[in-house]
Amino acid sequence: ETGVTQSPTHLIKTRGQQVTLRCSSQSGHNTVSWYQQALGQGPQFIFQYYREEENGRGNFPPRFSGLQFPNYSSELNVNALELDDSALYLCASSGRTTNEQFFGPGTRLTVL
Amino acid sequence: QQPVQSPQAVILREGEDAVINCSSSKALYSVHWYRQKHGEAPVFLMILLKGGEQKGHEKISASFNEKKQQSSLYLTASQLSYSGTYFCGTEGNTDKLIFGTGTRLQVFP
Repeated sequence: ETGVTQSPTHLIKTRGQQVTLRCSSQSGHNTVSWYQQALGQGPQFIFQYYREEENGRGNFPPRFSGLQFPNYSSELNVNALELDDSALYLCASSGRTTNEQFFGPGTRLTVL
Repeated sequence: QQPVQSPQAVILREGEDAVINCSSSKALYSVHWYRQKHGEAPVFLMILLKGGEQKGHEKISASFNEKKQQSSLYLTASQLSYSGTYFCGTEGNTDKLIFGTGTRLQVFP
């Protein structure tokens, strides 16, 4: 059984650029949730995808968008990057909406 | 609203016990507990469902008081490997997981 994987591991971008982060869900899981974790803080819910449809969104602006593919992998896109977007971005997969979420190793994004 | 955890930090010697509390202002359907080590992703510990029983395995257990919208995580006879930051995640009627403020636990020999 393959766990949740994310790519890339680290990323450095400049203000105003766009970024795409990728997540492969655990085998058998059809739900992917994305979180932003600033240093010293708990993960903040960005949005969730269930069977390729957005299934809820946290308090993040529209420049944060996402996709889920037929194989349940997912992408997080962030446009017009701001310095405050610097954080660890985590994706988590689960077999239904939120029960027992399993996290990937995260992508560390630095915006200069 | 983000659940509030207490205490913010705990320092223990190996073998000592600890309790971490999680309190929400909203009605809860479930509470999840995670442990995150520095530089790593959160690791799922357990989930407590409304109307469910107290959960636990070996020396880590938890309770869920639905009426008070609170949960507590109990760490018994702590080990060095228990060090990390513990987060509760609460799920209300929106089905979305909201993580708490975190409790940093350090266990020393």
